[in-house]
Amino acid sequence: AQSVTQLGSHVSVSEGALVLLRCNYSSSVPPYLFWYVQYPNQGLQLLLKYTSAATLVKGINGFEAEFKKSETSFHLTKPSAHMSDAAEYFCAAYGGGADGLTFGKGTHLIIQP
Amino acid sequence: DAGVIQSPRHEVTEMGQEVTLRCKPISGHNSLFWYRQTMMRGLELLIYFNNNVPIDDSGMPEDRFSAKMPNASFSTLKIQPSEPRDSAVYFCASSFSPGDGQPQHFGDGTRLSIL
Repeated sequence: AQSVTQLGSHVSVSEGALVLLRCNYSSSVPPYLFWYVQYPNQGLQLLLKYTSAATLVKGINGFEAEFKKSETSFHLTKPSAHMSDAAEYFCAAYGGGADGLTFGKGTHLIIQP
Repeated sequence: DAGVIQSPRHEVTEMGQEVTLRCKPISGHNSLFWYRQTMMRGLELLIYFNNNVPIDDSGMPEDRFSAKMPNASFSTLKIQPSEPRDSAVYFCASSFSPGDGQPQHFGDGTRLSIL
């Protein structure tokens, strides 16, 4: 079964600074990987996905993520943080078969003015 | 396009009562998922349907929980009898061919409070 680890339950950055949210997955076979964002009192919204095409994936709102097989990582980045980026971010992996998505615990992104 | 629609958005009831949560998936999607989100446990997959058939219900906490999908456009999650520890946000998600890497699309959730 898949497991997904997000390092840091809370990450705080200044407005305009680089955003880096870390995600590592465990699998002997590269899975399908996703990043979702959750704003307060809302459902999860897809930011981007990796499905074994290009290793650098661009998503919405200026976010991108790079799949690194050797590191089993799929970290999410954004060059310049905006106040509106404050939210909870979830990394998820789908390893195939009858399993649904396996989610990380989430990272709460705080943007300092 | 309409997204995944869940109802009610909020539910407050007393313990011991039956609770029914409803979900309408995106038209054309053949997979439906029910999740529960709490501060302590994060997002947990409860049950997964494919073509209206339950595929994996290993995440259902106990016999008090049941889920049905009578047709491709409707699913329910029922808790009977409800307990305070069932308080959480319940999400429904749908997808087309998740095995091909298609993402899941989430509803806005039902915030359930059991008093």
